[in-house]
Amino acid sequence: GESVGLHLPTLSVQEGDNSIINCAYSNSASDYFIWYKQESGKGPQFIIDIRSNMDKRQGQRVTVLLNKTVKHLSLQIAATQPGDSAVYFCAENWGETSGSRLTFGEGTQLTVNP
Amino acid sequence: NAGVMQNPRHLVRRRGQEARLRCSPMKGHSHVYWYRQLPEEGLKFMVYLQKENIIDESGMPKERFSAEFPKEGPSILRIQQVVRGDSAAYFCASSPQGRGQPQHFGDGTRLSIL
Repeated sequence: GESVGLHLPTLSVQEGDNSIINCAYSNSASDYFIWYKQESGKGPQFIIDIRSNMDKRQGQRVTVLLNKTVKHLSLQIAATQPGDSAVYFCAENWGETSGSRLTFGEGTQLTVNP
Repeated sequence: NAGVMQNPRHLVRRRGQEARLRCSPMKGHSHVYWYRQLPEEGLKFMVYLQKENIIDESGMPKERFSAEFPKEGPSILRIQQVVRGDSAAYFCASSPQGRGQPQHFGDGTRLSIL
């Protein structure tokens, strides 16, 4: 079946370093992807999205890369700060048959050490 | 900040009781989604609604669960005769349009079943 998964369940980085969080998906029909950040006790917060007709998109301190050949998505966070510590989820949307639902990966816990 | 508003934030029920979870979407958003999150897991889609219509309820259990989004007022997720397995965080999201649009989440309702 289709799935969205993350390579690493946890990631620990030093403040100021760059962070890379990875996501693999298995459905080649996926055409829209979103990265969310979830802090403890809160709902997922939208970070950045990308459509399948793009391979890169940049935001403020974040970049999302999409490699459709190997069905891989990554989130790069530049100059990671303690406030970036959270669980990060990728989510996908595919085809007309799945409608508007998002399918989420399991999440990666990012810890930023001062 | 007129984000997605959910209430109550915490809800405790005894087995067999009913739980009602409310969601007011962001201003201008007419598409509402409900997701469930178990501890240390990703979010799982339950139901997608537009005003007065259920568009996709394929992720919602057939029994005991229902959802509505009336013409006036918030969207309601209703769980009848709750069981311990219903304990989870329930998140609501909204978007201005349907598929291919970012969904913005509320901070959820934590449901605990005694």
